[in-house]
Amino acid sequence: QSALTQPPSASGSPGQSVTISCTGTSGDVGGNNYVSWYQQHPGKAPKVMIYEVSKRPSGVPDRFSGSKSGNTASLTVSGLQAEDEADYYCSSYAGSNNLVFGGGTKLTVL
Amino acid sequence: QVQLQESGPGLVKPSETLSLTCSVSGGSISSYYWSWIRQPPGKGLEWIGYIYYSGSTSYNPSLRSRVTISGDTSNNQFSLNLRSVTAADTAVYYCARDPTGDHWFDPWGQGILVSVSS
Repeated sequence: QSALTQPPSASGSPGQSVTISCTGTSGDVGGNNYVSWYQQHPGKAPKVMIYEVSKRPSGVPDRFSGSKSGNTASLTVSGLQAEDEADYYCSSYAGSNNLVFGGGTKLTVL
Repeated sequence: QVQLQESGPGLVKPSETLSLTCSVSGGSISSYYWSWIRQPPGKGLEWIGYIYYSGSTSYNPSLRSRVTISGDTSNNQFSLNLRSVTAADTAVYYCARDPTGDHWFDPWGQGILVSVSS
């Protein structure tokens, strides 16, 4: 199966909002509500920021939000902070007990 | 809280079998789903597969012919075997828990770099 499509890069200034997209197909993103988002700082393990499209685990700031429309999911980071600079990956259940990740987006805080 | 730690050799020869273990502390593997995920240097994440506490497994179709994930409840750990490795299998390998069975991962282990080279 193909990886989900994410833009390679995104950027914003401190305090601004930025949205990262994750495009799949009706077989994955568009076909269920099991989309999650992960933040990864250099040399570190990924950390979940959003699960089931829009749910935030305990401890994740409410500046992070998720949504979905059709075959495209989105992660929005509001009130950008320097610590938000990282790589972000989406993932989706792809049916038949299979899961697929996006290629990742490098978020730069200007 | 639950913590995961990967262990195993950092170097494997081509055509041999990559074997890793994930030790779980602060919780029992006799519940939830437990996955392996890898990340080639400078690249994105790839789900390898999972084992459910009941012992059932599911694998990425692209790796299914070479992968086995098994559990050891007596030692509270689970393992990955990847056969017939090539340089393309060089990656950081992570173990992770799916806390609800809804296909998301938290927490993750710190990861272990495995290089395939003669």
